[in-house]
Amino acid sequence: GAGVSQSPSNKVTEKGKDVELRCDPISGHTALYWYRQSLGQGLEFLIYFQGNSAPDKSGLPSDRFSAERTGGSVSTLTIQRTQQEDSAVYLCASSLGTVSQETQYFGPGTRLLVL
Amino acid sequence: QQQVKQSPQSLIVQKGGISIINCAYENTAFDYFPWYQQFPGKGPALLIAIRPDVSEKKEGRFTISFNKSAKQFSLHIMDSQPGDSATYFCAASTGGNTGKLIFGQGTTLQVKP
Repeated sequence: GAGVSQSPSNKVTEKGKDVELRCDPISGHTALYWYRQSLGQGLEFLIYFQGNSAPDKSGLPSDRFSAERTGGSVSTLTIQRTQQEDSAVYLCASSLGTVSQETQYFGPGTRLLVL
Repeated sequence: QQQVKQSPQSLIVQKGGISIINCAYENTAFDYFPWYQQFPGKGPALLIAIRPDVSEKKEGRFTISFNKSAKQFSLHIMDSQPGDSATYFCAASTGGNTGKLIFGQGTTLQVKP
């Protein structure tokens, strides 16, 4: 079946512009995660959605970052007034959501470059 | 205390050899330890995972060894193959209401033919 898809695959923007990154989770998965992978670094947790519960936003690095999940499916990560340090690969993952510790399936990521 | 420290940063192994990657953690509330494998241009994929009630888990050529008292766990790849060349990440989570993973910094493995 289809895996997690993300769009765009690559995004180049100018400092100060806003960007939106999209994630389509695996159908039927109620849990959705966003992570950030900077060059040569591990993955850094950003935000977690589970069903209709309030999202866990504890990993968002600043108030320029926000995310929403519409209809319990598609999610959008928005970065306002982008900075060069925002350049990274943004990865989305989804899981069934039946238990908290279960396999997370990752998308291919969006490579963001802020000039 | 939320960190997971991974070593080495890079590793070169001959085909047929054993690849060993180590991770250490501080947070004793961690109770789920997965390893992810990532190929260039792809997202990470779960390779194998362990919970602290066992000291070892083996799946094919991949084995996790877990030392609860030392707060360390490691990935062993037996009979390493060129197709195993990838970046490997250890991770940990505490469960509860969120399954967020805390990742190590990653190890780039190159298996030479």
